Amino acid sequence: DTGVSQDPRHKITKRGQNVTFRCDPISEHNRLYWYRQTLGQGPEFLTYFQNEAQLEKSRLLSDRFSAERPKGSFSTLEIQRTEQGDSAMYLCASTSRGEAGGAYFGPGTRLLVL
Amino acid sequence: GEDVEQSLFLSVREGDSSVINCTYTDSSSTYLYWYKQEPGAGLQLLTYIFSNMDMKQDQRLTVLLNKKDKHLSLRIADTQTGDSAIYFCAEISDSGYALNFGKGTSLLVTP
Repeated sequence: DTGVSQDPRHKITKRGQNVTFRCDPISEHNRLYWYRQTLGQGPEFLTYFQNEAQLEKSRLLSDRFSAERPKGSFSTLEIQRTEQGDSAMYLCASTSRGEAGGAYFGPGTRLLVL
Repeated sequence: GEDVEQSLFLSVREGDSSVINCTYTDSSSTYLYWYKQEPGAGLQLLTYIFSNMDMKQDQRLTVLLNKKDKHLSLRIADTQTGDSAIYFCAEISDSGYALNFGKGTSLLVTP
């Protein structure tokens, strides 16, 4: 068990470009979360999957953001037409437990939009 | 709950106790959590407390919960330099699917 992994760890892009991040949860964890963390803030919830079903989306997740978990294993988060305000750390977490707080977090993908 | 409040900074000397305070908003949250984040790393679950408990002790960590005042605290005994990190308090969101985090308390432990 290698923990939650995320790729890439860092991404620099120009405004207007599309970016995609990947999260590999701990194997057999059926619940997967995406959070966003900006400097000096706590993580903010973006979206939640149970298996392949996306059950909850935050109002923070504008229509430029899309997340998938096609086979109930890894997940991708895509941001289209990036804006400077999208610069943040994007954190993925997974768990097999029932409550949201029992999740294991990955190291995050740090995005910088120039 | 929308806003979980924490003081932003705490400095203690090595060997002293640290107390990090948090005020949460959602009285229906069944669990309350403390996470630790070291520089450049993801979040690590430190401990949690069930809402019907007043106190939970786990080695050097003591969590106190005052439901009436919606106040949660984390006490770290014999604080070490390796405890320097940002500590986040979190409650279960209204939807039950996610966590609402505070802004974090940056703990600096000096020798």
